Amino acid sequence: KNQVEQSPQSLIILEGKNCTLQCNYTVSPFSNLRWYKQDTGRGPVSLTIMTFSENTKSNGRYTATLDADTKQSSLHITASQLSDSASYICVVSLGGATNKLIFGTGTLLAVQP
Amino acid sequence: DAGVTQSPTHLIKTRGQHVTLRCSPISGHKSVSWYQQVLGQGPQFIFQYYEKEERGRGNFPDRFSARQFPNYSSELNVNALLLGDSALYLCASSLDRTANYGYTFGSGTRLTVV
Repeated sequence: KNQVEQSPQSLIILEGKNCTLQCNYTVSPFSNLRWYKQDTGRGPVSLTIMTFSENTKSNGRYTATLDADTKQSSLHITASQLSDSASYICVVSLGGATNKLIFGTGTLLAVQP
Repeated sequence: DAGVTQSPTHLIKTRGQHVTLRCSPISGHKSVSWYQQVLGQGPQFIFQYYEKEERGRGNFPDRFSARQFPNYSSELNVNALLLGDSALYLCASSLDRTANYGYTFGSGTRLTVV
């Protein structure tokens, strides 16, 4: 069964601290993996996208890693800001002609002053 | 250049009513997908349309239907609304049907069924 699991389910950190979110997937065939940031009640916004051959990608204070062998990804947030408070969703695309995306249930991050 | 736009942003309906949600993709994008996101859960795939044809359908009842117009905008229709249909409905557009070039979400329509 194609699944994407994320941990932790929720996380509270102090402003300025770093944190790492985890994503494990069992999706086949694999096309790419995306991390999205979703503010409450809003649509997800893409942070990074990685294909099978990429093992790291950065977008400002966000750095994503991908280990295609172990089927794990992480999203590292550096020097967190209050505006980073949101849900972070890991999404894996199925390969082939399909457009199907497999969503994780997200990690809810709260950054406190 | 405008992103993916959805309307309305919020909607309140009563059980048994019908609702139509609208989505305009990014200019040049030919694929539109619809997702339902219940509070606290990840989005669930409902439909994908590409070049005005249905290309994929999730596990949703026949009360859910959609269509895509020649200008690539799309409508999602839900008949005989149930309380459980209350959710954030997201539209996502992509250049082609494979989404290898990116996948952009709209801000969603918050539907509340009372």
